[in-house]
Amino acid sequence: SQKIEQNSEALNIQEGKTATLTCNYTNYSPAYLQWYRQDPGRGPVFLLLIRENEKEKRKERLKVTFDTTLKQSLFHITASQPADSATYLCALAMNRDDKIIFGKGTRLHILP
Amino acid sequence: GAVVSQHPSRVICKSGTSVKIECRSLDFQATTMFWYRQFPKKSLMLMATSNEGSKATYEQGVEKDKFLINHASLTLSTLTVTSAHPEDSSFYICSARDVPRIEQFFGPGTRLTVL
Repeated sequence: SQKIEQNSEALNIQEGKTATLTCNYTNYSPAYLQWYRQDPGRGPVFLLLIRENEKEKRKERLKVTFDTTLKQSLFHITASQPADSATYLCALAMNRDDKIIFGKGTRLHILP
Repeated sequence: GAVVSQHPSRVICKSGTSVKIECRSLDFQATTMFWYRQFPKKSLMLMATSNEGSKATYEQGVEKDKFLINHASLTLSTLTVTSAHPEDSSFYICSARDVPRIEQFFGPGTRLTVL
């Protein structure tokens, strides 16, 4: 079955620097890969979706890459701010009608 | 757009009672809604997928008689935890999908504590 691996250790980044989070998956490449943000005690918030035929997607300070050869997605936050501190979840859907599988998430701390 | 509300946000109940959680899509029609539970520092665990007007599809290991799901309209799904026990204490989160969009929009979650 498909497995998603996100760095379980917290990531500490100095304010202003670029934070890069990694999502690796096993088996077949999904048709859709998504990133969500979750704050403590809150539901996840959708950030970005990238399709298997797309290499990169950007939204303001966020950038997502999708490498089907490496079976990996990278999530970048440029000019990071303390308000970016949260847990970031990677999620995969094998096709449009399939359920989404979530990774455990990586906690990001932006240090002032 | 794409706002999902959930009510209540917190509930504390005695063991043996039933608790109903509502999930509403406020500005779109959700043909499909999902129910998750999440334990501290763990990933989201899908419990069931709910399609409007039909029976919910439960994930393996989730008791359908324990967790009753009703998706009566395109904007409302409910989860009822029947005869709740302390081990049912968890963070329950619903999400809704605005087909044909792929992404899901999540509610703020409900913290259930069973004493």
